[in-house]
Amino acid sequence: NAGVTQTPKFQVLKTGQSMTLQCAQDMNHEYMSWYRQDPGMGLRLIHYSVGAGITDQGEVPNGYNVSRSTTEDFPLRLLSAAPSQTSVYFCASSLTGQGNQPQHFGDGTRLSIL
Amino acid sequence: DAKTTQPTSMDCAEGRAANLPCNHSTISGNEYVYWYRQIHSQGPQYIIHGLKNNETNEMASLIITEDRKSSTLILPHATLRDTAVYYCIVRAAYSGAGSYQLTFGKGTKLSVIP
Repeated sequence: NAGVTQTPKFQVLKTGQSMTLQCAQDMNHEYMSWYRQDPGMGLRLIHYSVGAGITDQGEVPNGYNVSRSTTEDFPLRLLSAAPSQTSVYFCASSLTGQGNQPQHFGDGTRLSIL
Repeated sequence: DAKTTQPTSMDCAEGRAANLPCNHSTISGNEYVYWYRQIHSQGPQYIIHGLKNNETNEMASLIITEDRKSSTLILPHATLRDTAVYYCIVRAAYSGAGSYQLTFGKGTKLSVIP
């Protein structure tokens, strides 16, 4: 009963380094998304996907890239990490993007950029 | 503008019912009320959602007023593991920007007291 799996759980990077945060779901969900959570800011949507091959920008997309080559996976890429990207990142998925379908979240990746 | 208003914090005795209120006076007819909670350092956990009618599942009950301007989440027998921040969210029913992004406010910090 895996649900939404995020890896790694923790990561420390130096400014300018690149990395990919992994997100996988085993529920055959069409919709997947990435949020970041900062103290006092709540969760903010970075990118989302309504199905394989389709992605779009959310509220705070700058500095991040995504792709969706399979239904199961939705990786988030930081091409050149900046200290402002220090945050907790959550991946979520739902059967579809419609409002009657609950989004289910992973346990997050805690990322620190030095 | 915030779409929902919740008390900042609440206490509840262990074993008693926890009643968490939420005001959403500007809700429209095609918007759902969702409840999530976030236990320290974990990803947001879906609890329940509803449109017009009261709803119940294995975790909680959701009572929505007839005019839909407010709702109450009820945890029938609170345990120490229910200590968390609870978020009330209004979400559009139809696919699009209004349904994709979950807007988490500051929520209610529920403390269950032994």
